[in-house]
Amino acid sequence: GAGVSQTPSNKVTEKGKYVELRCDPISGHTALYWYRQSLGQGPEFLIYFQGTGAADDSGLPNDRFFAVRPEGSVSTLKIQRTERGDSAVYLCASSPRGWTSDTDTQYFGPGTRLTVL
Amino acid sequence: GDSVTQMEGPVTLSEEAFLTINCTYTATGYPSLFWYVQYPGEGLQLLLKATKADDKGSNKGFEATYRKETTSFHLEKGSVQVSDSAVYFCGHDYKLSFGAGTTVTVRA
Repeated sequence: GAGVSQTPSNKVTEKGKYVELRCDPISGHTALYWYRQSLGQGPEFLIYFQGTGAADDSGLPNDRFFAVRPEGSVSTLKIQRTERGDSAVYLCASSPRGWTSDTDTQYFGPGTRLTVL
Repeated sequence: GDSVTQMEGPVTLSEEAFLTINCTYTATGYPSLFWYVQYPGEGLQLLLKATKADDKGSNKGFEATYRKETTSFHLEKGSVQVSDSAVYFCGHDYKLSFGAGTTVTVRA
């Protein structure tokens, strides 16, 4: 009965480095979402997975950002050549059925705070 | 494109006061609408939702009605408590398209 978990909880890196952020969704949830929340702002949509495939990646800001979900469960958000502007809290959410059902509810993890120095 | 406009905060109230947070949206079609809440030190959680016009979502004494004619989904609570102090986010569709959030502080 665990909720969505994200690791690490905090990540500090240097400009130009590569980082991976992990999300473990609620067991059995078909859909998985990534968001980015900058200080003082609401979460901003990045990408939505339905199973293993990215159903909508329109929120990824540029080609430095990439996410995978190879087995339809755990997902990894990958950021190449990090920039100071990438500093934010990265949130993951999962939902039981995804957007084949408009009553679906997203359950959020605690987030990973990324700081790029 | 689709978006949500939410009343800016911060909002400070006394206990038992009436709370309204305005939310309007622009979208093609009729998206599902949500209010999420983030209590201090906790993650985002769903407060309530509505999936079609005239639906009313309710939870923990909060209510919001999906108004197609005014494209609005305003959040209301008749008598707030200190424990309602949080940041509230309005969103729609699976992308949620959150606004900036409204910080509500309730004083005893």
